[in-house]
Amino acid sequence: QQQVKQSPQSLIVQKGGISIINCAYENTAFDYFPWYQQFPGKGPALLIAIRPDVSEKKEGRFTISFNKSAKQFSLHIMDSQPGDSATYFCAARYNNNDMRFGAGTRLTVKP
Amino acid sequence: ETGVTQSPTHLIKTRGQQVTLRCSSQSGHNTVSWYQQALGQGPQFIFQYYREEENGRGNFPPRFSGLQFPNYSSELNVNALELDDSALYLCASSSDLSGANVLTFGAGSRLTVL
Repeated sequence: QQQVKQSPQSLIVQKGGISIINCAYENTAFDYFPWYQQFPGKGPALLIAIRPDVSEKKEGRFTISFNKSAKQFSLHIMDSQPGDSATYFCAARYNNNDMRFGAGTRLTVKP
Repeated sequence: ETGVTQSPTHLIKTRGQQVTLRCSSQSGHNTVSWYQQALGQGPQFIFQYYREEENGRGNFPPRFSGLQFPNYSSELNVNALELDDSALYLCASSSDLSGANVLTFGAGSRLTVL
């Protein structure tokens, strides 16, 4: 069922560095692309989202870059902090109710 | 404003048994979606409920069923449990059909099937 491919599976970044997570999709019917952050023992929480008619969206240290022709989108975390250590999921919405998630990226930010 | 609450947090069942998981949606939200998250994987859409009716279903067999109540809370029922049903079951609420993009997740119910 998962139609969103996410990479890398895990990522280790030094404090202050840039974390980059990539996702690719095939289904052009997807109409909304959010990123979720999940801490251990918690449910995923919406971090930032973008629609396919926009190429970039920035909220604080978090930026989504979206390439519609390549069917790829990515999350950039600037000035990464130890508190950003979590699992990140990209997702794509299908048919207004079905959110398809990537397999997740475990980010570790070393102090 | 209360968030999404789920119960129980953990439970253990044996193959063939039945289980019911419960979810209270966030205040002001009228739509509930259920997701299954296997270990090390992303959540997979099971189904969504709106106005007490199923409004979309993922690739899950009929032994996965649900209910939504007038107060917008919801139940997920799984019959004839299989070992592969072991997972974290997440409930997410949203404000309406068009707002289903803004999902507020609960912490989940972790089911272990032995």
